[in-house]
Amino acid sequence: AQSVAQPEDQVNVAEGNPLTVKCTYSVSGNPYLFWYVQYPNRGLQFLLKYITGDNLVKGSYGFEAEFNKSQTSFHLKKPSALVSDSALYFCAPSGDRGSTLGRLYFGRGTQLTVWP
Amino acid sequence: DVKVTQSSRYLVKRTGEKVFLECVQDMDHENMFWYRQDPGLGLRLIYFSYDVKMKEKGDIPEGYSVSREKKERFSLILESASTNQTSMYLCASSGQGAAQETQYFGPGTRLLVL
Repeated sequence: AQSVAQPEDQVNVAEGNPLTVKCTYSVSGNPYLFWYVQYPNRGLQFLLKYITGDNLVKGSYGFEAEFNKSQTSFHLKKPSALVSDSALYFCAPSGDRGSTLGRLYFGRGTQLTVWP
Repeated sequence: DVKVTQSSRYLVKRTGEKVFLECVQDMDHENMFWYRQDPGLGLRLIYFSYDVKMKEKGDIPEGYSVSREKKERFSLILESASTNQTSMYLCASSGQGAAQETQYFGPGTRLLVL
C-alpha cells in the first residue's frame, strides 16, 4: 500500500528563523514529488515539485525542498519564515512515473504557524 | 492562469437527499479529480477521470458516483447523503502529462449533511 508520512501535525517557528516541514513516503516505483499549501478557507495551491536532476528544488514564495532517494524523503524548507507562511502544507508523491493516470497520494498535512 | 471552479462554497443538505457537486475547469485538461478533506486525514481521492465518459475509483468511492459528459466538467454525486459525508470536497484538474503534471485545485465545497 502507498503511504505518505508527515510526522509533525504542527510546526511552530519564530519569524525570521528557518523552517522545515518533513515528509517521507512509500510509493511503488519512482514517483514525482509535490508540495502544496492551503491557506484558511481556500483550495490547495501548488508550491513546487521534483521531477529529475538537482536534489534541491526551488519553488514559490522562497520555499525549497530537498529530495533524498535513499531515505525516500522530500522535506520542505525555507531559510527565513514569514508570518504569512502560516498555513497547512501537504506532501504528495505521484504514482510511478510510468503511470498514465496522474494521481497523487497526499499526506495528512502539517500546520505551520509562524510567530511574529 | 488555470481556473477550476466549484458550483457552491457551502452547501447544507438533509440525510437521504441526492446531492450534486459540480466542477468546471477552463484549461482543456484531460484529468479531473474529486477529493474529500477531513481534519487529520488529509486529502483522500474519491474518483478521477482521464477522459470524457471515463472514470476510475479512488481510495474511498463508496457512497459516491461521478459523471463526465464534457471535458471541462466533472460532477460528484452523493446518491443518498449521509451525515458521515459531511466534509470539504475539493476538485482538481491536470494535463495529459500524467504523473508529472501539476494538479490545480478549486476553492472547495464545504458540505454539511444534517
